[in-house]
Amino acid sequence: EVQLVQSGAEVKKPGATVKISCKVSGYTFTGYSLHWVQQAPGKGLDWMGLVDPENGETLYAEKFQGRVTITADTSTDTAYMELSSLRSEDTAVYYCATDINWNYSYWGQGTLVTVSS
Amino acid sequence: DIQMTQSPSSLSASVGDRITITCRASQSIRSYLNWYQQRPGKAPKLLIYTTSSLHSGVPSRFSGSGSGTDFTLAISSLQPEDFATYYCQQTYSTPYTFGQGTRLEIK
Repeated sequence: EVQLVQSGAEVKKPGATVKISCKVSGYTFTGYSLHWVQQAPGKGLDWMGLVDPENGETLYAEKFQGRVTITADTSTDTAYMELSSLRSEDTAVYYCATDINWNYSYWGQGTLVTVSS
Repeated sequence: DIQMTQSPSSLSASVGDRITITCRASQSIRSYLNWYQQRPGKAPKLLIYTTSSLHSGVPSRFSGSGSGTDFTLAISSLQPEDFATYYCQQTYSTPYTFGQGTRLEIK
């Protein structure tokens, strides 16, 4: 059974950095790219970026460029999304999802990040 | 970036109704169009991939059609569990952009 299990909710102050994990099981981690999606409260889905676990290559959305870092640890089959210089607008649920044949068949359960002073 | 525009933004319907949601891309995306369903507090779930293929376990009352820039999600006979928000997504090129969502509510 494929599972993507994300780390728990975080509360951060403005200007801080958050790092969320996404542990994968049930398929070959290096076989598919791993993507991250942001969803602000009451809003839609916003693609943040991806990592190819096989070679570590990344691609980021322009909106998050310079603040987001996505990595993959093949020794633990875990992907990470780090977002820096947090501001209140970054308060959101963050999802990881696996791109299998150009669709997101599998999603993590989501991680709520709250940015508040 | 490819812009995805869904319509309507919200829709009221009754159990048993047939409804359609449309999604328009700002340029051709061939058939690289997916549909997701999201219930409150839950992760999105894949319904339809590459325009018209039904994801495993998705009821046959859901269907998708279209090509190029114009796409449609249809639900043939609404069930109570179908009242949720629906998103289209293009995976023709990165960034993989989503439509703004269509909230389906019970009339």
